[in-house]
Amino acid sequence: GAGVSQSPSNKVTEKGKDVELRCDPISGHTALYWYRQSLGQGLEFLIYFQGNSAPDKSGLPSDRFSAERTGGSVSTLTIQRTQQEDSAVYLCASSLASRSSGANVLTFGAGSRLTVL
Amino acid sequence: AQTVTQSQPEMSVQEAETVTLSCTYDTSESDYYLFWYKQPPSRQMILVIRQEAYKQQNATENRFSVNFQKAAKSFSLKISDSQLGDAAMYFCALPPNYGGSQGNLIFGKGTKLSVKP
Repeated sequence: GAGVSQSPSNKVTEKGKDVELRCDPISGHTALYWYRQSLGQGLEFLIYFQGNSAPDKSGLPSDRFSAERTGGSVSTLTIQRTQQEDSAVYLCASSLASRSSGANVLTFGAGSRLTVL
Repeated sequence: AQTVTQSQPEMSVQEAETVTLSCTYDTSESDYYLFWYKQPPSRQMILVIRQEAYKQQNATENRFSVNFQKAAKSFSLKISDSQLGDAAMYFCALPPNYGGSQGNLIFGKGTKLSVKP
């Protein structure tokens, strides 16, 4: 697609429920990233996929969080047994193949705002 | 560990005037990129400008320019002839140390810029 697409745009859920957030990256972008942005805060790295390599999960805050990327394209971030502190905007970004110098530019989606009641 | 610090949570500028947003960082790398991203109310992060550390010349993109001081690890963003559409959150970012998650960015907490008509 022309840009990074995320759905849903907004999600309200009850504490304890599971949620799935979807990210459709730019066609041809092999790198995909998930970030979390809590109110008034910067972006917190969650997970990173690069091609067929094992994902870097070092940013996932707990084992309630998981993500997968099927066929090297669409990614789903799953949060199990949601807690109120999970309320945040979840941003997805994609880029061309990652370079060690960090030169690659990330293109972001508009995010999914999650509210846990 | 690498850090990115934006010491101005909020800034305000009069339309058509110039404003400078501050960013300091810490990294053990000698060659790296630095980025400024803009996040308008639509939530979608947009790249404003990037600077390669080994280049002496400050990057410029139309009304946006940087003052990059490598020794001081300072990377400020100057917006000239401010426009109402410049109102947004601005985030400074740099990649992790080599060997970290390649392509992942570390973000500051952001500066909220208001533009007064």
